[in-house]
Amino acid sequence: QLQLQESGPGLVKPSETLSLTCTVSGASISSGSYFWGWVRQPPGKGLEWIGSIYYSGSTTYNVSLKSRVTISVDTSTSQVSLRLTSVTAADTSVYYCAMMKRGFDFWGQGALVTVSS
Amino acid sequence: QSALTQPASVSGSPGQSITISCTGTSSDIGSYNLVSWYQQYPGKAPKLLIYEANRRPSGVSNRFSGSKSDNTASLTISGLQAEDEADYYCCSSAGSDWIFGGGTKVTVL
Repeated sequence: QLQLQESGPGLVKPSETLSLTCTVSGASISSGSYFWGWVRQPPGKGLEWIGSIYYSGSTTYNVSLKSRVTISVDTSTSQVSLRLTSVTAADTSVYYCAMMKRGFDFWGQGALVTVSS
Repeated sequence: QSALTQPASVSGSPGQSITISCTGTSSDIGSYNLVSWYQQYPGKAPKLLIYEANRRPSGVSNRFSGSKSDNTASLTISGLQAEDEADYYCCSSAGSDWIFGGGTKVTVL
């Protein structure tokens, strides 16, 4: 069955880079049927789309984060990665990866990342 | 781009029907049929309830239905049950981007 598992450091210092990995199992990350996306949710707040990637490497990013975000895909390891540079406390959130076909069809459990010194 | 506009909270009694609105613009909801709705319980990941404005994935209760008119989408929950108490989010394509609503907390009285 499909599983998406986010992993990475739970604590990042201000001005440093947040890096997360989403490992996909139960579906082919190389399938042309899906996109793969990242969504975040600050504690107690709503959802914010960060960006999406196709298996070919084609990406789209939220314009408000575009200068700081990079999403990449590694088909050999079935992983989708997120990098967010120059983080501040405002980037403290639960970060979700999601499989996208008709919307955000299936979500990982999420990873809480706290930005603090 | 600004978030889609949803009411902060909606409540209803068991068995009743409630409707959550989601208002966007002609650049998002008004231009694309790619409106989706998500249910989220506290501490859990969101779950897709409705896609393409009014289609339900297999396994989602037919008590959930969606619609769209001009720049506004709506989610209706019929026969409200205690288990429907959760946060609900709408989402729309805006070309190559995706925009979420601010979320609506549904309370079952």
